[in-house]
Amino acid sequence: DTAVSQTPKYLVTQMGNDKSIKCEQNLGHDTMYWYKQDSKKFLKIMFSYNNKELIINETVPNRFSPKSPDKAHLNLHINSLELGDSAVYFCASSLRSKGQGRDTQYFGPGTRLTVL
Amino acid sequence: DQQVKQNSPSLSVQEGRISILNCDYTNSMFDYFLWYKKYPAEGPTFLISISSIKDKNEDGRFTVFLNKSAKHLSLHIVPSQPGDSAVYFCAASAGNTPLVFGKGTRLSVIA
Repeated sequence: DTAVSQTPKYLVTQMGNDKSIKCEQNLGHDTMYWYKQDSKKFLKIMFSYNNKELIINETVPNRFSPKSPDKAHLNLHINSLELGDSAVYFCASSLRSKGQGRDTQYFGPGTRLTVL
Repeated sequence: DQQVKQNSPSLSVQEGRISILNCDYTNSMFDYFLWYKKYPAEGPTFLISISSIKDKNEDGRFTVFLNKSAKHLSLHIVPSQPGDSAVYFCAASAGNTPLVFGKGTRLSVIA
């Protein structure tokens, strides 16, 4: 009965490869997010989708492309992986629309990506 | 440019005593503040929040205090329990903007 799940939990890959991380929420929430926690431990938002519509797109290289097939899923595809992409990526969801900062966000367990 | 700062990377407290975690912010537009708790290998979980119209919010053993003039908030945990050992993230938002998180403070509650 996991609320927000991510796969895989760990991902080790070579530079230049393309990889995807999947996220699913069973909370019936309207909004989903991707965050990146880098080596300095900052948790920074990358993208937010509301009902399959992109509403937040922070300054992220266009090698990162989120895809939301439905409001319960938000996948993250990364092309041409670089060393600096190594981080923990967290998916989250919140109930209301428009991704307001006031919404309680429910996080997945994270995906640790290591680029060699 | 860190808009939310948690200057103490770690804190150790005896079980039963008070834990005080601090957070400073620089953006005067922030009007909503949250604390999240994170255990190893898990995602952050929401703990408590406070709006800028208040200076205190309490939920059981957890109390958040907000000092707007100092741009400072703190989380008090009384009494501290071993299960409280985790990383605590402070986060803030301005209106409908996304959350901005601090780097976190690792709390260790020693039995």
